Amino acid sequence: DGGITQSPKYLFRKEGQNVTLSCEQNLNHDAMYWYRQDPGQGLRLIYYSQIVNDFQKGDIAEGYSVSREKKESFPLTVTSAQKNPTAFYLCASSINVDQNEQFFGPGTRLTVL
Amino acid sequence: QKEVEQDPGPLSVPEGAIVSLNCTYSNSAFQYFMWYRQYSRKGPELLMYTYSSGNKEDGRFTAQVDKSSKYISLFIRDSQPSDSATYLCAMCQGAQKLVFGQGTRLTINP
Repeated sequence: DGGITQSPKYLFRKEGQNVTLSCEQNLNHDAMYWYRQDPGQGLRLIYYSQIVNDFQKGDIAEGYSVSREKKESFPLTVTSAQKNPTAFYLCASSINVDQNEQFFGPGTRLTVL
Repeated sequence: QKEVEQDPGPLSVPEGAIVSLNCTYSNSAFQYFMWYRQYSRKGPELLMYTYSSGNKEDGRFTAQVDKSSKYISLFIRDSQPSDSATYLCAMCQGAQKLVFGQGTRLTINP
């Protein structure tokens, strides 16, 4: 099955801890994206990557970090510097950054206790 | 003012009704328009993709873009309970990043 997988589905974290969310795709897409979804606010772009070993900040990158060491993988780290990390996190991919049809993974719900 | 405005609802209609979902936007450079459907606690799935003005039909779904009014719509005919979800509009200008609406929560009552 081709698609995007995210793990875990639910994640709980204590304040002050860093946590890494996984995103893997087997669609052979070059571009990958991380969004955050909060109730009533739609999706906001955190980071995106056009190719391996390259990534750019989105609209709300503060308190987050990413890496893109492999084409298939784009993990997101939520650091302790993120002031309000409880949210639903969505990973997406597209063929490349010029092809704007984005396909989403199932999401990870992060709750900070 | 947000770049893309979407009425969050909730919108509740009886089964079989025609549903109209709408978004307005302020950036006249937007050229690509999308509608995503998102079931509760799931990722959004792409429903419709249109370029520039006009209509596009896919089964019970019709997407309409009016660039002169900066207004897009999604119509659902013969609505079914399985259509109950949040619908997100999204748009962009070429290779620029997607801008999403807040999403409209829709419930179809049997």
